[in-house]
Amino acid sequence: EAQVTQNPRYLITVTGKKLTVTCSQNMNHEYMSWYRQDPGLGLRQIYYSMNVEVTDKGDVPEGYKVSRKEKRNFPLILESPSPNQTSLYFCASSWTGGELPYEQYFGPGTRLTVT
Amino acid sequence: TQLLEQSPQFLSIQEGENLTVYCNSSSVFSSLQWYRQEPGEGPVLLVTVVTGGEVKKLKRLTFQFGDARKDSSLHITAAQPGDTGLYLCAGGWDSGTYKYIFGTGTRLKVLA
Repeated sequence: EAQVTQNPRYLITVTGKKLTVTCSQNMNHEYMSWYRQDPGLGLRQIYYSMNVEVTDKGDVPEGYKVSRKEKRNFPLILESPSPNQTSLYFCASSWTGGELPYEQYFGPGTRLTVT
Repeated sequence: TQLLEQSPQFLSIQEGENLTVYCNSSSVFSSLQWYRQEPGEGPVLLVTVVTGGEVKKLKRLTFQFGDARKDSSLHITAAQPGDTGLYLCAGGWDSGTYKYIFGTGTRLKVLA
């Protein structure tokens, strides 16, 4: 089954404790992206990657890191989480071939609470 | 910074009623997408519109892209409880970037 998986689905942590949210897709997609979703603000893009070893900032990258060492994986790293990073996080992937725009496939989300 | 504003933010209607959701921007987008998100899940693509003035129909859903490509609308005819969800418009890959811009969302609840 074609899918984007995220782990963990739920996470409660404390300020300053480094954490990683994993994202994996089995569709051989080149493009992967991380979003955060907050009430009244919609989805905001954190980082995206066009392919292995190619990453770039979205609209809200502060406090986050990413890496793309393998095509299928795109982990989101919070080196020192703060309470304002409490949010619902989504990973997404898509093709980059053919005509724009591309359909993004989203993971099920990770609900993060930082106390 | 490009922004997409959706209205209304919340909508609660009775089964069988019609409704329209709007997505507006001060910027021109080369294309717009509409996604629906159900509780506990990620957004799922409904449609993509790419030409100014374009109208697309998906069963009871009608999508329109404004002539100036700054706005879009989603019209649902005879809404059903299964239409309940969060509707998001999205534009992207403009101005030489590979970013996506999502709207603020419209949360729809259809009562049986």
